[in-house]
Formats: sequence, structure tokens, C-alpha cells
Amino acid sequence: QQPVQSPQAVILREGEDAVINCSSSKALYSVHWYRQKHGEAPVFLMILLKGGEQKGHEKISASFNEKKQQSSLYLTASQLSYSGTYFCGTDPYGSSNTGKLIFGQGTTLQVKP
Amino acid sequence: NAGVTQTPKFRVLKTGQSMTLLCAQDMNHEYMYWYRQDPGMGLRLIHYSVGEGTTAKGEVPDGYNVSRLKKQNFLLGLESAAPSQTSVYFCASSYRGPENTEAFFGQGTRLTVV
Repeated sequence: QQPVQSPQAVILREGEDAVINCSSSKALYSVHWYRQKHGEAPVFLMILLKGGEQKGHEKISASFNEKKQQSSLYLTASQLSYSGTYFCGTDPYGSSNTGKLIFGQGTTLQVKP
Repeated sequence: NAGVTQTPKFRVLKTGQSMTLLCAQDMNHEYMYWYRQDPGMGLRLIHYSVGEGTTAKGEVPDGYNVSRLKKQNFLLGLESAAPSQTSVYFCASSYRGPENTEAFFGQGTRLTVV
């Protein structure tokens, strides 16, 4: 049930753009995105809800295609502070929400000066 | 507010020993989760709880037990530690379910089983 993220790793120069994808084999009610700095806890970035509502507070955007069971995270004009590992989290459900929050394997992003 | 606090932060166990990891949150959250993080594997869900007195299995529950006797605490137990349980363990909590609320993570517990 673990969602699949791609790519596994990205190296960018400051100012470049990146896209991280998250794909699930199960229907999704929502998709979460988190960033983890080395040695630290994951930190919430945003949540995308079924129906298109998006909640977040960073200068990073995302999309959620319910039919394709996919989400993408867009990092534009990357900054050094964007470096870290990005995780998508999903609540795969069948007839009802499970309450689980399952994460992908992560995408490591490194932004160089 | 302290948020989500994990105790201890580091621990070394010998194979076969038992221990309990404590997760405490002061945000009145209903949902709590235990994950393990291993290189290249992401965050894997061990057990979770949708409210006081309830627990459920996650994706990798074998070798672990949990209890949620009080709303603010979620305990993870290892009855007989094995080297394969060497990992970083994260606890998380959320006000409601993941369908519409974000999770807050503790700082992690680095466990080594020798």
C-alpha cells in the first residue's frame, strides 16, 4: 500500500525547478507532503484534499489528480533551504477511511549554490 | 507547548531485551502513530491509534506492541529486541484523521540492537 515516489533523488542548482511525483495503487482521499532535514523530524508542508482544496503555508505548490491517484509537488526557483528528503503521505481507503497515514519511500533533494 | 515528545532519544539494547518507547502529546490530538525509518525505506507505519483505548496494526507490526491508555500517551513496546529492529522510531499525532488534518512528529528515538 506504500505510495511510490519518483525520482528517488534530485540535485539542483539554486533557482532551478523540480517536480516530485507520488503515485498510489489505492484510491486516495487526500495527499500529504512533508520535508525532513537530515537528523530532524519530518515537517508538514501541505495537504491536498479530494475535491481540490489545498492547505499549506510554504512557497511550494502541489497538485492532486484523484482519478489517476497521483500527486505532484512543485518546487520553483529552489533555494538552499529546500534541501532535504520529501515524503508524500496517503490514507489509502476502500469503502471507508482507514485512519492510516502511509508514506512513500522519500525523494532526496539537494540544492547546490 | 511541547508538541510531541519522545522518550528516550537514544538507546542501545542487547538482543532479547525488552523496552518501551514513550510518546506524549499535549495538543489533545485523537490520532497517534508509530513509524520506523530505515535508509531507503521511508517511514513505515508500525501501529496507530484513532482514539484513547484503541490501537490498530500498521504495515510492519510484527515484533511490536502498543497501548493507548491515556489520550495523550502512546507507548511502543519491544518484547524481545532483534538486530532487525535497529532503526529510528518516530511518533506522530494529528487532531483528526489524515483525510483532512496534518500530522506533527516527535524528534525521534534512535534505537540500536546489538
